[in-house]
Amino acid sequence: GDSVTQMEGPVTLSEEAFLTINCTYTATGYPSLFWYVQYPGEGLQLLLKATKADDKGSNKGFEATYRKETTSFHLEKGSVQVSDSAVYFCALSINTGGFKTIFGAGTRLFVKA
Amino acid sequence: SAVISQKPSRDICQRGTSLTIQCQVDSQVTMMFWYRQQPGQSLTLIATANQGSEATYESGFVIDKFPISRPNLTFSTLTVSNMSPEDSSIYLCSVESVHRQETQYFGPGTRLLVL
Repeated sequence: GDSVTQMEGPVTLSEEAFLTINCTYTATGYPSLFWYVQYPGEGLQLLLKATKADDKGSNKGFEATYRKETTSFHLEKGSVQVSDSAVYFCALSINTGGFKTIFGAGTRLFVKA
Repeated sequence: SAVISQKPSRDICQRGTSLTIQCQVDSQVTMMFWYRQQPGQSLTLIATANQGSEATYESGFVIDKFPISRPNLTFSTLTVSNMSPEDSSIYLCSVESVHRQETQYFGPGTRLLVL
C-alpha cells in the first residue's frame, strides 16, 4: 500500500547548521508530496508542497524537490534557527476517488542557540 | 487558506465519560477530516465528515465510539465516547483546500487527557 518513511528523530542541530530530513514514499499512481510542520502546542501547518516530478517546493528557507526516480522528497534548509524547532511531517496525497493523505511518523528537530 | 478553530483546546476527563469536540471553519468546505495523534506519534485518520451524509470511518474506528456530525459546510463535531486512558491524544480537524484538493489545512487540535 501507499506509505511514507522519514528519518527518525530527534535531530539536534546548532543554530546556522544545515538541515536535511530524509523522506521516501511508496505510492501507486502520482501523488502530491508535502511537508507539514507542528510547532510545540500547535496543530499542523503546511510548510511546502510539490505536485509533480522535479517540482521544488519552498517556503521560509526550506526546500524539497520531488524526485520520482528515487521516490524521495527530502527537506533541506541551509541555516536553521532556534525558531525552527518543531516536528516535521512528510506526507503524500493521492486521488483514490477523493484525496487521501498519508503521513510519515514525524521527525522532531531541536535547534540549539 | 482556511482558518480553523477547535473547542475545547484541551480537557481532562474521567474514564467512562464522553467529550464532544467542535470544529469551525471560516469558509464553506466540502471535505472535513478528523485525525488522532497519540503522544509522540504521527496522525491517524479517524473519519471523513461529509455534509448531509454519514461519516466514512477508517479501519479500526467505529461510529459508536467516535460519532461525528456535519450539519453544514462550515462545522463538524467529533465525540469521543466512553473514554479510557488509551483515548488520551490530540484530536485534529482538517479541511480540504477548495482550490487544491490535495492540500489540507489543520485546526490547532484538542489535547485530551483521560484519567
